[in-house]
Amino acid sequence: GAGVSQSPSNKVTEKGKDVELRCDPISGHTALYWYRQSLGQGLEFLIYFQGNSAPDKSGLPSDRFSAERTGGSVSTLTIQRTQQEDSAVYLCASSGTSGEAGELFFGEGSRLTVL
Amino acid sequence: KQEVTQIPAALSVPEGENLVLNCSFTDSAIYNLQWFRQDPGKGLTSLLLIQSSQREQTSGRLNASLDKSSGRSTLYIAASQPGDSATYLCAVKGGRRALTFGSGTRLQVQP
Repeated sequence: GAGVSQSPSNKVTEKGKDVELRCDPISGHTALYWYRQSLGQGLEFLIYFQGNSAPDKSGLPSDRFSAERTGGSVSTLTIQRTQQEDSAVYLCASSGTSGEAGELFFGEGSRLTVL
Repeated sequence: KQEVTQIPAALSVPEGENLVLNCSFTDSAIYNLQWFRQDPGKGLTSLLLIQSSQREQTSGRLNASLDKSSGRSTLYIAASQPGDSATYLCAVKGGRRALTFGSGTRLQVQP
């Protein structure tokens, strides 16, 4: 597609439920990132995928968070047993350069509200 | 650990003014620096990307400079317009491979 696509754009869930957030990167982009932005806060790195390499999971805040990237394209971020502090906008970005110099392009984000 | 600081946190200017947004980072071993704008409730839009070997980049009324040795970048906006109102974020890419973001400068351009 023309840009990074994320779904759902908004998700309201009850505490304790599992949620899945989807990211469809720009076609051909090898790198994919997930960030989290809490209300009034900066962007917090969660996880990074680069081609077929093992993902950099160093930003995941707990073992309730996991992410997959199937076929080097679409990625799913899963949050199990959601907590109220998980409420945030989850942003996905992709980059087309396999090296370190690539420009990042972001999606519009998925706003998660945990009641 | 890389830390990115943006000053000022908020800025309000009348339309037509030239302005400078500042970004500083603690670890000069970076691959690149990227400036973004974020409108309320929206994702991030890339404005300019400066590679570590470059000193500046220009796009329209925007000019970004990079002084890697001193850990500083500036974003210059010429002839500001109300449509420039947004939060401006700078981010650096270092050895960690993921971008480290500053907390942003919230810009309001008054008509």
